[in-house]
Amino acid sequence: GAVVSQHPSRVICKSGTSVKIECRSLDFQATTMFWYRQFPKQSLMLMATSNEGSKATYEQGVEKDKFLINHASLTLSTLTVTSAHPEDSSFYICSARDFGRQGIGEQFFGPGTRLTVL
Amino acid sequence: QKEVEQNSGPLSVPEGAIASLNCTYSDRGSQSFFWYRQYSGKSPELIMSIYSNGDKEDGRFTAQLNKASQYVSLLIRDSQPSDSATYLCASYNFNKFYFGSGTKLNVKP
Repeated sequence: GAVVSQHPSRVICKSGTSVKIECRSLDFQATTMFWYRQFPKQSLMLMATSNEGSKATYEQGVEKDKFLINHASLTLSTLTVTSAHPEDSSFYICSARDFGRQGIGEQFFGPGTRLTVL
Repeated sequence: QKEVEQNSGPLSVPEGAIASLNCTYSDRGSQSFFWYRQYSGKSPELIMSIYSNGDKEDGRFTAQLNKASQYVSLLIRDSQPSDSATYLCASYNFNKFYFGSGTKLNVKP
């Protein structure tokens, strides 16, 4: 099946630093990737849709300048949390659409990155 | 009204039984539907996708879609304790996925 990797899997940083998370589609090309965050015992919250070669589309309430998204190639999207604060601590999950298997663009998730800001 | 609605559960079934998970959606234009399984502390894993009315079977899993009733279900036959997880239903329309809040399934040995 389609494989999406995410790096790092876990990061602990000090307040005020920036953290970059990489999301890669390993065995398919992804023109569209998504970034989600999930707090404990809560449902997925879509942060932004990332399209290769164009600007990301952010959901209402998500700060574009704080969560920088770059989708520079068909297999790589990055999320940078700038000037992280404790309230940014969360589980960040990326996903990518694979149109190859069934043609309907199934969405496959990466393993997630657990961010803790001290 | 949420785009996709699911009962949060928990749904408890004994090992070996059939677990039935249900989901309704509000947008008649939704084109395809997906079931994901999410273990605690992990990311969602795709189980099934369905876009035509009727049933679709894959191993112990059967997805059912009824577009007239705007209803999607997932049946898990011969449930195992390892099936205990949260199951997310999702719909797709206009380049956007909508997720339900998930149903927690407990399979008791």
